[in-house]
Amino acid sequence: DSGVTQTPKHLITATGQRVTLRCSPRSGDLSVYWYQQSLDQGLQFLIHYYNGEERAKGNILERFSAQQFPDLHSELNLSSLELGDSALYFCASSVELQAPNSPLHFGNGTRLTVT
Amino acid sequence: LAKTTQPISMDSYEGQEVNITCSHNNIATNDYITWYQQFPSQGPRFIIQGYKTKVTNEVASLFIPADRKSSTLSLPRVSLSDTAVYYCLVGDKGSGNTPLVFGKGTRLSVIA
Repeated sequence: DSGVTQTPKHLITATGQRVTLRCSPRSGDLSVYWYQQSLDQGLQFLIHYYNGEERAKGNILERFSAQQFPDLHSELNLSSLELGDSALYFCASSVELQAPNSPLHFGNGTRLTVT
Repeated sequence: LAKTTQPISMDSYEGQEVNITCSHNNIATNDYITWYQQFPSQGPRFIIQGYKTKVTNEVASLFIPADRKSSTLSLPRVSLSDTAVYYCLVGDKGSGNTPLVFGKGTRLSVIA
């Protein structure tokens, strides 16, 4: 168990809808990363938050947004969903305060299916 | 960002030692080398990390030559449960704005 909790585990929704994925990082971890993994794309970095502030953006679509709250949990919002958004969405956390290259600890992901 | 190159797939028999090499020719001075393991429908799991020379833990060893342009993950005596995708990542998260980029990874299949 990595200590990173993602909810829900599975999500099935229709095109055009909006969903929110939630991530609770490991206790003490200040950084949260979001990744998308689809069959043909591999693991794609979406966005990184550190202690509530956005630190880096990757291949995140404008229809997607994220935030990290004061209690350090994070939410990834996906709107105007398309069939191609169907994927596994992973959240990872790491400490980084005194160990900037501390490894990432991943949750077990949310499997999103857009029909 | 340092780009990494790994073999797409490897096969091994149970009980053998497996070495997966990753090339990262443009590794930067502050970059660390980190390896992750991923099983189907699970999040990647940290295996080992190093900066130079050799690092060993209870799961694997990581060999890094002096020029740091490559690294080799060594898995001793693999079992069927080691069948997974292995990712080599190179980066410096300490810079605060360098995301860790996962490549395609190496799909290891362990055969009985």
